[in-house]
Amino acid sequence: AQKITQTQPGMFVQEKEAVTLDCTYDTSDPSYGLFWYKQPSSGEMIFLIYQGSYDQQNATEGRYSLNFQKARKSANLVISASQLGDSAMYFCATTNNAGNMLTFGGGTRLMVKP
Amino acid sequence: EAGVTQFPSHSVIEKGQTVTLRCDPISGHDNLYWYRRVMGKEIKFLLHFVKESKQDESGMPNNRFLAERTGGTYSTLKVQPAELEDSGVYFCASSPGTSVLQTQYFGPGTRLLVL
Repeated sequence: AQKITQTQPGMFVQEKEAVTLDCTYDTSDPSYGLFWYKQPSSGEMIFLIYQGSYDQQNATEGRYSLNFQKARKSANLVISASQLGDSAMYFCATTNNAGNMLTFGGGTRLMVKP
Repeated sequence: EAGVTQFPSHSVIEKGQTVTLRCDPISGHDNLYWYRRVMGKEIKFLLHFVKESKQDESGMPNNRFLAERTGGTYSTLKVQPAELEDSGVYFCASSPGTSVLQTQYFGPGTRLLVL
């Protein structure tokens, strides 16, 4: 079974600064994916970025990057140059070996201060 | 291209009543998933359809929940009879395929409140 731990229930960041949201995972599957989703106050779940367990390089998507440290089983999300619109809940998730089931962490609420 | 849509956005019902949630996946996506987040808990997987077939329903909590996907297009999730602990947000997601790197695209969710 997979497990995702997000230890920061809430975080503040100053606008235009960078912020790191922590995510550690536990899985016995030899191959897995790690995903980050954003949930703004409107409620929809927006896919941000993913990392495959065999990827050698950290994934990047615009202002989002994933700091993947396989030996430490961590997949932290880094948001550069925070914007007010980044205020939202952020969920880390991993897939099972079949690729059909996402296991989510409890989420981190990020608040960007102007 | 339209995203995953869910209806209704909100539902308030009394304990013992029946509620049916609907999900329309992204066009062409054979894989459809249901998840839910009950108060104070993590988002949990309920089940997975491939076209009209239930591929994995290991997350369905009990037999009060019935999911269907007739014709392999939209899906419904019926709760009958609803209990207080069923309150939460029900998400639907879809994807073209399944793999450890396959992104699932989520809908906006249905907020269910059972009184």
